[in-house]
Amino acid sequence: KQEVTQIPAALSVPEGENLVLNCSFTDSAIYNLQWFRQDPGKGLTSLLLIQSSQREQTSGRLNASLDKSSGRSTLYIAASQPGDSATYLCAVNSFGNEKLTFGTGTRLTIIP
Amino acid sequence: GAGVSQSPSNKVTEKGKDVELRCDPISGHTALYWYRQSLGQGLEFLIYFQGNSAPDKSGLPSDRFSAERTGGSVSTLTIQRTQQEDSAVYLCASSGGADPSYEQYFGPGTRLTVT
Repeated sequence: KQEVTQIPAALSVPEGENLVLNCSFTDSAIYNLQWFRQDPGKGLTSLLLIQSSQREQTSGRLNASLDKSSGRSTLYIAASQPGDSATYLCAVNSFGNEKLTFGTGTRLTIIP
Repeated sequence: GAGVSQSPSNKVTEKGKDVELRCDPISGHTALYWYRQSLGQGLEFLIYFQGNSAPDKSGLPSDRFSAERTGGSVSTLTIQRTQQEDSAVYLCASSGGADPSYEQYFGPGTRLTVT
């Protein structure tokens, strides 16, 4: 059974700093991995999707990497802004399952 | 274009009542998913529809939960005899096909509170 873990559970950093969020998964047989952000009381906004054949994806100040063999992904946020404050979730789509298995999320607070 | 929409956005109901939650997927998307997000449980899968295939109901927590998808588009999640532990945010997602590599797009969710 696939299990997804995100560390840390919460993170506070001053505005302008670069930061890294971590995601690990137990079964490397995956189709892809997605990073989402969730604002309080809102749904999920997809940030980046990395297919299993890819090593990284970039969108603006965000860069996500995938090391499938070690079961790890990182989300790098450059030059953080207060608007980046949200909960960040990673989710994997595993072989034999069409559904996403989610991590518990990292609650990020950017301090102005 | 329009994204995934869900209604209602909030629902408060008394314990024991039935509720229906609606999801309108992105037009043309053949795959539709329901997930639940509750405190202490994180985000968990409930049910998956793909085209005309039999749905994957493996995530439904009890037989009080059921879902249907009419005409391959709109889906309704029904919870009968609601319990307080059913309080959660119910999220719907759709994707463009049966290929699991397709990205899933999420709706804003329905916040259900059972009093």
